[in-house]
Amino acid sequence: NAGVTQTPKFRILKIGQSMTLQCAQDMNHNYMYWYRQDPGMGLKLIYYSVGAGITDKGEVPNGYNVSRSTTEDFPLRLELAAPSQTSVYFCASSQTGNQPQHFGDGTRLSIL
Amino acid sequence: DQQVKQNSPSLSVQEGRISILNCDYTNSMFDYFLWYKKYPAEGPTFLISISSIKDKNEDGRFTVFLNKSAKHLSLHIVPSQPGDSAVYFCAAPYNTNAGKSTFGDGTTLTVKP
Repeated sequence: NAGVTQTPKFRILKIGQSMTLQCAQDMNHNYMYWYRQDPGMGLKLIYYSVGAGITDKGEVPNGYNVSRSTTEDFPLRLELAAPSQTSVYFCASSQTGNQPQHFGDGTRLSIL
Repeated sequence: DQQVKQNSPSLSVQEGRISILNCDYTNSMFDYFLWYKKYPAEGPTFLISISSIKDKNEDGRFTVFLNKSAKHLSLHIVPSQPGDSAVYFCAAPYNTNAGKSTFGDGTTLTVKP
């Protein structure tokens, strides 16, 4: 019972590089989310999706892009990485918008 | 604008005692609250929730209390165990059509043996 799987767990990027953070869920959830968590802070919503083919911006979308071509996968793309994007990134899913979210174990990303 | 606030970044209690974690909110339209627990190097996991039609919800050692007039909720853990040492986040959905929730900054609980 995998739940929400995020890869990679750790990554170091140089300024200006690009990468994709992968997220997959096997619970057939409609809703998926990307958050970032900075030290000592709560979770900030980057992007969310209410179903395949539907995505929208959250609180802090600048510098990121997403796609949702299938129910299972919700990759997060960083273009032109900047030091301000150093953070821990969490992917989550839920069946509806009013149910508890299931989180992956996070990707710790450092931009140097 | 953070709509839920956890004003205590950390809390330390002795094993067997009660842990009380607090959360204040500003939006009186919130009608559902959740607590998540997070261990290091893991994602948050759902712990317990409460609807605004209730003032208390209990699940084993965990009880959440809601005081709507004070816009305050609290999580009680009795008795506290070393394995409860984690970061606890309160959260409130503010747009259920989109699944959007606002999260507090978390309280780090340390339970000493």
